[in-house]
Amino acid sequence: ETGVTQTPRHLVMGMTNKKSLKCEQHLGHNAMYWYKQSAKKPLELMFVYNFKEQTENNSVPSRFSPECPNSSHLFLHLHTLQPEDSALYLCASSLTSASTDTQYFGPGTRLTVL
Amino acid sequence: GQQVMQIPQYQHVQEGEDFTTYCNSSTTLSNIQWYKQRPGGHPVFLIQLVKSGEVKKQKRLTFQFGEAKKNSSLHITATQTTDVGTYFCAGNTGTASKLTFGTGTRLQVTL
Repeated sequence: ETGVTQTPRHLVMGMTNKKSLKCEQHLGHNAMYWYKQSAKKPLELMFVYNFKEQTENNSVPSRFSPECPNSSHLFLHLHTLQPEDSALYLCASSLTSASTDTQYFGPGTRLTVL
Repeated sequence: GQQVMQIPQYQHVQEGEDFTTYCNSSTTLSNIQWYKQRPGGHPVFLIQLVKSGEVKKQKRLTFQFGEAKKNSSLHITATQTTDVGTYFCAGNTGTASKLTFGTGTRLQVTL
């Protein structure tokens, strides 16, 4: 195991629902990331947090709202999603947000939007 | 924006054959990383290359970073069924981590 956990592992939601994805890392890292992995598309970086501060928002729609209360926890709040938002959402962490630091991925949350 | 392409998209080999995947970036990279994702799994870090022309080996895997730092390759010698998965390259262009992942190469190995 990589020391990065994500819950839930699977989520089905309607377009009017509000839900949250949770990520926790037990590695003592200070940087955390959200990625989206859709079928037939490369992994897309969504958000980067370094020492609880958001340092990157990769033009993500506002229906995705991240939260990082401390260096060990990262949330992705979801509301009024679209069917095309169905994907595997991966969390990752690294010691810092330096480009040479290795990223460790969690198992992901498989999201289906009906 | 930056794009990272990989070829081939898919390769099916017999166990024992060699395999190579190629990665090309539209921009010069500060470093490149390689990840492996097993079916149903998540990306797992394999290696990082930083220097122009760098070559690194991990047992049967050989990684190269091009002289211009815009391309890279992963070569597996004598594939095994445990090598099955999708191999991604991912590049950074600066000092902060903002990985752009390649399109991936899915490797299938049969006996």
